[in-house]
Amino acid sequence: NAGVMQNPRHLVRRRGQEARLRCSPMKGHSHVYWYRQLPEEGLKFMVYLQKENIIDESGMPKERFSAEFPKEGPSILRIQQVVRGDSAAYFCASSPSRGLETQYFGPGTRLLVL
Amino acid sequence: DAKTTQPPSMDCAEGRAANLPCNHSTISGNEYVYWYRQIHSQGPQYIIHGLKNNETNEMASLIITEDRKSSTLILPHATLRDTAVYYCILHGRGGSEKLVFGKGMKLTVNP
Repeated sequence: NAGVMQNPRHLVRRRGQEARLRCSPMKGHSHVYWYRQLPEEGLKFMVYLQKENIIDESGMPKERFSAEFPKEGPSILRIQQVVRGDSAAYFCASSPSRGLETQYFGPGTRLLVL
Repeated sequence: DAKTTQPPSMDCAEGRAANLPCNHSTISGNEYVYWYRQIHSQGPQYIIHGLKNNETNEMASLIITEDRKSSTLILPHATLRDTAVYYCILHGRGGSEKLVFGKGMKLTVNP
């Protein structure tokens, strides 16, 4: 059973460009969570999605960031007009259902904004 | 903010048991204690979780005190590959789905 897949693993963008991060959950998992880890800091929750629905986006910056989890295909975290402060590791986790379910994490995407 | 307190770092000799403490004095009745670890440059890895009974799996054992205000993660025979940042997290049924990571504890296993 393949684990959570994230791509790309490394992404370099110039200021003002768009970054698209993809997450494919574990087989049978329909719940996805995105977390961000700034350099030398802990992980911070960003958003929680179920297929076609955003359940909790309390950790998402108000501007430039959006997330989706379509009926078909991976979850996408989109960052528009990136700035240097967006440089971080972005981790996706998945779980099979809502409630008290263990979240399994992917390897992360490391975004570097030049 | 994280509701758990862990020492910032700990060293352990390879082959010895590593006992990682965590304080959670304000734990609620419906909150489980979860442990994750993050090996350098990797995603967090689930280790174990428990409510009030001691738990054991192929990776570790979790000992929760009777009053549930603290717990200890035990790695019975630490290896160099167990060097990582370990996070003790409370996660409750009926609450937010998000995991709240604190600063964790850096465990260094020495040869």
